Amino acid sequence: DQQVKQNSPSLSVQEGRISILNCDYTNSMFDYFLWYKKYPAEGPTFLISISSIKDKNEDGRFTVFLNKSAKHLSLHIVPSQPGDSAVYFCAASSTGANSKLTFGKGITLSVRP
Amino acid sequence: NAGVMQNPRHLVRRRGQEARLRCSPMKGHSHVYWYRQLPEEGLKFMVYLQKENIIDESGMPKERFSAEFPKEGPSILRIQQVVRGDSAAYFCASSPPNSHINSPLHFGNGTRLTVT
Repeated sequence: DQQVKQNSPSLSVQEGRISILNCDYTNSMFDYFLWYKKYPAEGPTFLISISSIKDKNEDGRFTVFLNKSAKHLSLHIVPSQPGDSAVYFCAASSTGANSKLTFGKGITLSVRP
Repeated sequence: NAGVMQNPRHLVRRRGQEARLRCSPMKGHSHVYWYRQLPEEGLKFMVYLQKENIIDESGMPKERFSAEFPKEGPSILRIQQVVRGDSAAYFCASSPPNSHINSPLHFGNGTRLTVT
């Protein structure tokens, strides 16, 4: 039972264009959502998060959008850079769950120079 | 990632041997989380510990796996009688005491266990 789904395993975009990474969840109790970026042989690095009381959070080139009614969130990266090439994981947790995160399977983003 | 230290980075064990994975949390952190990433999968929660206490072990396999976080020293994830299916990357994360409930976890670089 996969509660956080990243249905596209990979995405390739041109440098300078927008990257849109999608994530769907099924558990209505989730109220905190995060994106992590992971390079090979390294641990996940926190990128950006959003609480369920918001529908958008922006940090530099990264913006996360949350649509609670659709149980969908997306990460926008603009402009995309070759250094953004990595695996991106969507994760979710619920208040009172001791920060226990449920992760999706990840999306491999390739940014072509 | 440099703040949470895991060792060894790579560990090779034969079937039936024991594996011990260590995690030193960031300075001042007293909460530790262990996650496992199987090939082509996302990270899966295993266990959440505070100093000398297991808070949530709902993700731990019922047999052969154990974890501890003693008053002094690193947290240890122990796998007895390893099998090939235990081959995975094991990641540790830590958080400070009294941290806000909704605050991100910061992970170490992981231990890659290979069972031959």
